Amino acid sequence: DGGITQSPKYLFRKEGQNVTLSCEQNLNHDAMYWYRQDPGQGLRLIYYSQIVNDFQKGDIAEGYSVSREKKESFPLTVTSAQKNPTAFYLCASSIRGTSGNRQETQYFGPGTRLLVL
Amino acid sequence: GQQVMQIPQYQHVQEGEDFTTYCNSSTTLSNIQWYKQRPGGHPVFLIQLVKSGEVKKQKRLTFQFGEAKKNSSLHITATQTTDVGTYFCAGYNYGQNFVFGPGTRLSVLP
Repeated sequence: DGGITQSPKYLFRKEGQNVTLSCEQNLNHDAMYWYRQDPGQGLRLIYYSQIVNDFQKGDIAEGYSVSREKKESFPLTVTSAQKNPTAFYLCASSIRGTSGNRQETQYFGPGTRLLVL
Repeated sequence: GQQVMQIPQYQHVQEGEDFTTYCNSSTTLSNIQWYKQRPGGHPVFLIQLVKSGEVKKQKRLTFQFGEAKKNSSLHITATQTTDVGTYFCAGYNYGQNFVFGPGTRLSVLP
């Protein structure tokens, strides 16, 4: 909470269009994450990055791409290959990813709601 | 892969009643975290449990990690309208992704 910004708050996508969701953090956290949340459901991990210039696929990476060129920024692109992109997208960060044998606390941004026209 | 389940899916209580949500993992966990998401909001970290059998309290909230480190519970005593929201558990096991449960949505009737 706090220190993580996501934009825009709402985003509309046309069929066949790629869109990019922004996520910025000023917490000096090493790790960043993207989750997808569908109505009434939990969070599913799309991609995560534990360090600059490195990222790993989560459980539902198909149709999405990311980059981590700066520590503060972890944009997510929803490509036209993602056939059902309508969802609430949440970005999170943690001071580190996995520390030893545990997951560090994650701090979430306010989210972006993506709707397909 | 690792799965995390929560019951119940929904819970409606009268203000002042107690509430409990249960979290179960298909595999042993290294640590488990609990988050709360208010309606229209984003998840906010509540607590982390690491040790087998660990119990932690935060005012009216009591969190427990099972002896086998495969289950956990969150108990709220004397619910208030400010407790409304969805409570998620999230578990981690070494070498696997951090997995969130589907959540329990709590409604509190005044």
